[in-house]
Amino acid sequence: DAKTTQPPSMDCAEGRAANLPCNHSTISGNEYVYWYRQIHSQGPQYIIHGLKNNETNEMASLIITEDRKSSTLILPHATLRDTAVYYCIVRVPTDSWGKLQFGAGTQVVVTP
Amino acid sequence: GAVVSQHPSWVICKSGTSVKIECRSLDFQATTMFWYRQFPKQSLMLMATSNEGSKATYEQGVEKDKFLINHASLTLSTLTVTSAHPEDSSFYICSARGKGIQPQHFGDGTRLSIL
Repeated sequence: DAKTTQPPSMDCAEGRAANLPCNHSTISGNEYVYWYRQIHSQGPQYIIHGLKNNETNEMASLIITEDRKSSTLILPHATLRDTAVYYCIVRVPTDSWGKLQFGAGTQVVVTP
Repeated sequence: GAVVSQHPSWVICKSGTSVKIECRSLDFQATTMFWYRQFPKQSLMLMATSNEGSKATYEQGVEKDKFLINHASLTLSTLTVTSAHPEDSSFYICSARGKGIQPQHFGDGTRLSIL
């Protein structure tokens, strides 16, 4: 699986957009980008995934650069409940049964 | 959205006891289920992967006789921690996925404390 690099922490203000970067410069052509988040003492929550096109759902938007070497998760209007550790993972979805390897992620703290 | 239920959410028991944790996919058929462990201030570590009706595949360093996994149906997997000791105390989390590119969905975890 391609390795990802994320900043260890980010602060953002409530109500503002939160832009979370992820670098995956060694991504291969059939690897997808997945984003999960883990709120303290809970299991991870799936947010969004994509291959090369930008994606949007009710939670967030995923912007993938044209060369696919990096991506940005956008939380359009951050709330206090968005405080969590955010994980960016790249992998072939059906390879090795689709198992995920979690890195350290980005600790996002949303402040009032 | 897809829902994965994990039970119990927390358990405290004496050293030497065996503990069973259940993981159910409530609204989809889980062809593959995964078990993770997470120690305080650390990331999730994959323990094992199981496909319905077949033996689990364990990650390196995980004792298969210690952590028994059963995936008897497309909606249920169980993890049994046998003869648990204080060093087995951790946050155990299951996840499940359907076919194709469907993402994994996670349970809310089980906090296990062995006294």
